[in-house]
Amino acid sequence: DQQVKQNSPSLSVQEGRISILNCDYTNSMFDYFLWYKKYPAEGPTFLISISSIKDKNEDGRFTVFLNKSAKHLSLHIVPSQPGDSAVYFCAARGGGSQGNLIFGKGTKLSVKP
Amino acid sequence: GAGVSQSPRYKVAKRGQDVALRCDPISGHVSLFWYQQALGQGPEFLTYFQNEAQLDKSGLPSDRFFAERPEGSVSTLKIQRTQQEDSAVYLCASSLGGSSPLHFGNGTRLTVT
Repeated sequence: DQQVKQNSPSLSVQEGRISILNCDYTNSMFDYFLWYKKYPAEGPTFLISISSIKDKNEDGRFTVFLNKSAKHLSLHIVPSQPGDSAVYFCAARGGGSQGNLIFGKGTKLSVKP
Repeated sequence: GAGVSQSPRYKVAKRGQDVALRCDPISGHVSLFWYQQALGQGPEFLTYFQNEAQLDKSGLPSDRFFAERPEGSVSTLKIQRTQQEDSAVYLCASSLGGSSPLHFGNGTRLTVT
């Protein structure tokens, strides 16, 4: 059973508008959440993270929101740019210091000029 | 700067052959992870090293999979008697440990024919 779910396989957004990527999780023991971006034939690249003790983290055009009661997080990209077109993975880490991540299946974002 | 390096980038093996996949982590990173990514899926955890110690191998799908990191730096993932279901991208990641983000290599795409 998937512990991290990204229910939208794809998303298409116009350049300059907001992109919102969603992620749901089932394990309340997760204490850290990350978003990774992946271009074809490359490995995932770290984008932004959030600790479970926070509800928002912002870095430039990227903001991650965490709703612990709903076990839901989202990544907002504003304004969206064509170079943001990639697959975005949500990942969660369980309690402890191991650092092992559990990934969702990803959402493919297409930003159209 | 130097990132995580994986070799080979592509590997084609006939069913039943043994393969060895190499990972050079970022210098100074104590934590090293192997993930398997099937087509259309997110990366799935295989195994984790802290320095030379393999602390978690719970994700290895069978005893045909073996990983080592003898000197706490370079790691090798070995798959014996490859099967078609082993076809996937194998990703290596390293980190400073704790809550530090994982930095991924570009992966090795293994195709078993």
